Amino acid sequence: GQQVMQIPQYQHVQEGEDFTTYCNSSTTLSNIQWYKQRPGGHPVFLIQLVKSGEVKKQKRLTFQFGEAKKNSSLHITATQTTDVGTYFCAGRREYGNKLVFGAGTILRVKS
Amino acid sequence: ETGVTQTPRHLVMGMTNKKSLKCEQHLGHNAMYWYKQSAKKPLELMFVYSLEERVENNSVPSRFSPECPNSSHLFLHLHTLQPEDSALYLCASSQDRSNYGYGYTFGSGTRLTVV
Repeated sequence: GQQVMQIPQYQHVQEGEDFTTYCNSSTTLSNIQWYKQRPGGHPVFLIQLVKSGEVKKQKRLTFQFGEAKKNSSLHITATQTTDVGTYFCAGRREYGNKLVFGAGTILRVKS
Repeated sequence: ETGVTQTPRHLVMGMTNKKSLKCEQHLGHNAMYWYKQSAKKPLELMFVYSLEERVENNSVPSRFSPECPNSSHLFLHLHTLQPEDSALYLCASSQDRSNYGYGYTFGSGTRLTVV
């Protein structure tokens, strides 16, 4: 079945450092979504990428969708303590409806 | 606060109890989902309802029984659960099942502990 792998599992950074999480799918995706879950909270939708090679920015967050539409990344520039949480990618296979979530990357920021 | 309301927020139940989780959405969405979130595991999709019809059941044990009486309400009925069923149960909704262009809106979840 379709699998979505996310790395790293954990990342501890010093406040001000950059952070990147990577998402890889075993199959070509029609679109990919990113979510953030704060500690003790629930996943919150951040963004959706649809086009091959697409790049979108939200303030300090940069999202990329690979040319082959099988991988994606989320990069945070100059992390802040408010960035702590778990970042999930979720991909939908081409011609499919099922959204498959990655295991998430836990980000901790040391001030 | 998210448009998807889950009750109760916390639930402790014995293995012989019967309880129900409730989810309500005020977003006008047509699809609703139940997810299970356990420590160190990916979000596990349990059930999908689209326009009140169950369209997906991911090999979930029969001790979990969903119900969707209308497009705004979703229930998860629980009976004779096991300790390993302890987890955060999340309800989500989306515009439609294909979800093109829209993300899922999650509720705050029910933290379930089976003793």
